[in-house]
Amino acid sequence: DGGITQSPKYLFRKEGQNVTLSCEQNLNHDAMYWYRQDPGQGLRLIYYSQIVNDFQKGDIAEGYSVSREKKESFPLTVTSAQKNPTAFYLCASSTGDGGELFFGEGSRLTVL
Amino acid sequence: RKEVEQDPGPFNVPEGATVAFNCTYSNSASQSFFWYRQDCRKEPKLLMSVYSSGNEDGRFTAQLNRASQYISLLIRDSKLSDSATYLCVVKNAGNNRKLIWGLGTSLAVNP
Repeated sequence: DGGITQSPKYLFRKEGQNVTLSCEQNLNHDAMYWYRQDPGQGLRLIYYSQIVNDFQKGDIAEGYSVSREKKESFPLTVTSAQKNPTAFYLCASSTGDGGELFFGEGSRLTVL
Repeated sequence: RKEVEQDPGPFNVPEGATVAFNCTYSNSASQSFFWYRQDCRKEPKLLMSVYSSGNEDGRFTAQLNRASQYISLLIRDSKLSDSATYLCVVKNAGNNRKLIWGLGTSLAVNP
């Protein structure tokens, strides 16, 4: 079945460590996105990519990095520079018109 | 003023009830509107797009009022499985990739 796979589902890390969250899609979508969701806040866009080897910062890119070397893959690295990394991270993809987003099941990161 | 505002609820309704949610948006140039559903600790999923003429999908009806800048979602004959958070999403003109997400309205359907 086509879809988006995020891993790991749960992750615990010590403060100061970099963490990479995986996102893979087999929907043949051009666009991919990373969002962060915190309690009491709406989804906030971290980074997005419309095409391979290209990506743009979203609203809260500081402390994060991404790469888009393959159409299917859009990993997110949460660096030690991110002040409040504990959150629910959601990866999504869409066709070129940016309409419906298809989300992965999310990754819950807890920094201790 | 937030770009997209929703009543957070929670809305507690009995099974079979009709419930309506509203969502207001601040940018009059907004071009596309959506309702997503998010179950507790899960990912959002598209419930329906909202068209200018209004649209219906089974028990769900979405409407758009551009003059007053709000969209609505009506759920008829509520089921226990409708319990979730409903997210209003607006896409602004001029930036095809930016969606503005509301905080969501929580619905609990009780037996």
